[in-house]
Amino acid sequence: GDSVTQMEGPVTLSEEAFLTINCTYTATGYPSLFWYVQYPGEGLQLLLKATKADDKGSNKGFEATYRKETTSFHLEKGSVQVSDSAVYFCALRLNTGGFKTIFGAGTRLFVKA
Amino acid sequence: GAGVSQSPRYKVTKRGQDVALRCDPISGHVSLYWYRQALGQGPEFLTYFNYEAQQDKSGLPNDRFSAERPEGSISTLTIQRTEQRDSAMYRCASSPQEGVTEAFFGQGTRLTVV
Repeated sequence: GDSVTQMEGPVTLSEEAFLTINCTYTATGYPSLFWYVQYPGEGLQLLLKATKADDKGSNKGFEATYRKETTSFHLEKGSVQVSDSAVYFCALRLNTGGFKTIFGAGTRLFVKA
Repeated sequence: GAGVSQSPRYKVTKRGQDVALRCDPISGHVSLYWYRQALGQGPEFLTYFNYEAQQDKSGLPNDRFSAERPEGSISTLTIQRTEQRDSAMYRCASSPQEGVTEAFFGQGTRLTVV
C-alpha cells in the first residue's frame, strides 16, 4: 500500500549546521509530496510542497526535490537555527480516489545554540 | 474564520462514555479531513468529506467511530463507548477543493480516556 518512511529521530544539531532529513515513499500513481512542521505547542503547518517529478519545494531556507527515480523527497537546510527545533513530517497526497494525505512518523529536530 | 478551529482543545472522559469532537473549517473550503495522531507518530487518516458527502471512511477503526458534516461546513467526529486505546490527538484539516494543493490543519483535540 501507499506509505511514507522517514528517518528516525531525534536529530540533534548545533546552530548553523547542515540538515538532511531523509524521506522515501511508496505510492501508486503520481502523488504530491509535502513537508509539514509542528513547532512545540502548535498545530501542523505546511512547510513546502512539490506536485510533480523534479519539482523543488522551498520555504524559510528549507528545500526538498521530488525524485521519482529514487522515490524520495529529502528535506535539507544549509544552516539551521535554534528556532527550527520542531517535529518534521513528510507526507504524500494521492491525486486520485480519495485525495487523503499519508504521513510519515515524524522526525524530531533539536538545534543547540 | 481565519483558520481551522477545533473544539474542545482538551477532553478527558471516562471509559464507556461517548464524545463528540467539533471541527469548523476555513470558510468556503469544500473538503474536510479527520486524522488521528498517536504520541510519537504521524497523523493517520480517518475520513473525509466533500461538502456534506462523506467520500471515504476507510480509516475509521471500527463502528464506534462516526463523522458527519450535515450542512457542508462544521463537522463532528463522534466516538461511542470510548476505550483507553482511543486516547490520541484528533486533527481536522480542510482544503479549498478536492484534490487541490495542501490541507490546512487545526490545532487538534487531545482526547484522554481514563
